[in-house]
Amino acid sequence: EAGVAQSPRYKIIEKRQSVAFWCNPISGHATLYWYQQILGQGPKLLIQFQNNGVVDDSQLPKDRFSAERLKGVDSTLKIQPAKLEDSAVYLCASSLETKGITLFFGQGTRLTVV
Amino acid sequence: GENVEQHPSTLSVQEGDSAVIKCTYSDSASNYFPWYKQELGKGPQLIIDIRSNVGEKKDQRIAVTLNKTAKHFSLHITETQPEDSAVYFCAASRPNDYKLSFGAGTTVTVRA
Repeated sequence: EAGVAQSPRYKIIEKRQSVAFWCNPISGHATLYWYQQILGQGPKLLIQFQNNGVVDDSQLPKDRFSAERLKGVDSTLKIQPAKLEDSAVYLCASSLETKGITLFFGQGTRLTVV
Repeated sequence: GENVEQHPSTLSVQEGDSAVIKCTYSDSASNYFPWYKQELGKGPQLIIDIRSNVGEKKDQRIAVTLNKTAKHFSLHITETQPEDSAVYFCAASRPNDYKLSFGAGTTVTVRA
């Protein structure tokens, strides 16, 4: 089966600019996650969707980050305006809830804010 | 929320030797403990997991042990090979939570 697709793979922007990441989960996976992975750290959950509804966005910096999942499939994560500390890899993952909590991750988008 | 600590942060082993990574968790209600392997430029991939109703699980050269009383679990890799070189993450999840709290990761280097 096709894996989780993410784009772009790399992005370099200046601080205060905006950026958007796109994710296409594995077909049929109801749950979609966005994680932030800062260099040298483990992934940190930003937001979790169940179909097109938000389950948990408690760790999402809502003053600058936003995410949506239209029609319960693709998702976009946006940062506006970006800060230097937003430099990280943004990982999208999906899971087939009925089979437990196995997460399938995409390759991630490496964001560098200069 | 759940807090997962992982040690060591880096581990260098001779090819053929064993590698052990240890994690502790804070929430006694957590009942699912997976391990993910992340190779350079890729997303993490599940390699093994264990639920709280068992104490040990093996899959070929990898095994995971769980001590619920002490709230810690470990990953054991035997007969290490160069392709085992990667970053390994432990994680924990509470019942019906469907989200994982990850440790900080262990960079494993297998020397030929």
